[in-house]
Amino acid sequence: GQQVMQIPQYQHVQEGEDFTTYCNSSTTLSNIQWYKQRPGGHPVFLIQLVKSGEVKKQKRLTFQFGEAKKNSSLHITATQTTDVGTYFCAGGATNKLIFGTGTLLAVQP
Amino acid sequence: NAGVTQTPKFQVLKTGQSMTLQCAQDMNHEYMSWYRQDPGMGLRLIHYSVGAGITDQGEVPNGYNVSRSTTEDFPLRLLSAAPSQTSVYFCASSPAYTGDEQFFGPGTRLTVL
Repeated sequence: GQQVMQIPQYQHVQEGEDFTTYCNSSTTLSNIQWYKQRPGGHPVFLIQLVKSGEVKKQKRLTFQFGEAKKNSSLHITATQTTDVGTYFCAGGATNKLIFGTGTLLAVQP
Repeated sequence: NAGVTQTPKFQVLKTGQSMTLQCAQDMNHEYMSWYRQDPGMGLRLIHYSVGAGITDQGEVPNGYNVSRSTTEDFPLRLLSAAPSQTSVYFCASSPAYTGDEQFFGPGTRLTVL
């Protein structure tokens, strides 16, 4: 079945450093979504990418969808303590949204 | 709008007991789904529904049943609880399908002893 893997599983950074998480699917995706989950909370939608090679920005966050539509990345520039949480990618295919394993980001002030 | 609501927030069961996790949404969303979240495993899809009267299996459906008699409600039933079902359960909904933003409920933390 479809699998979506994310790396790294955990990342600890100093405030102000950059952060990147990578998402890889075993199959071609129709779309990819990114979610953020704060500790003790529920996943909250960040963005969706649909087109091959698409790049979208939200302030300090940059999202990219691979040319083959099988991989994606999320890059945060100059992390802040408010960025703490787990970031999930989720790949869409045939009525199912399959989530990646997530990357837990810890930011030290 | 209350969005997506889940009850209960916490539940402790003994092995072999059955129970129903409730999920409701007031946004008139057609698509609803159930996920379980375990450390290091991410969110795994249990069951989903593309509309009232239609349900289908996700990645990890064994031990769970669902039904969708109304657009608003999507209960998840544990038939005979096992310790391996200890997890945090999230219900989610979206307007039409997986191409839309998923709105998640606050979750139910279940412990099976």
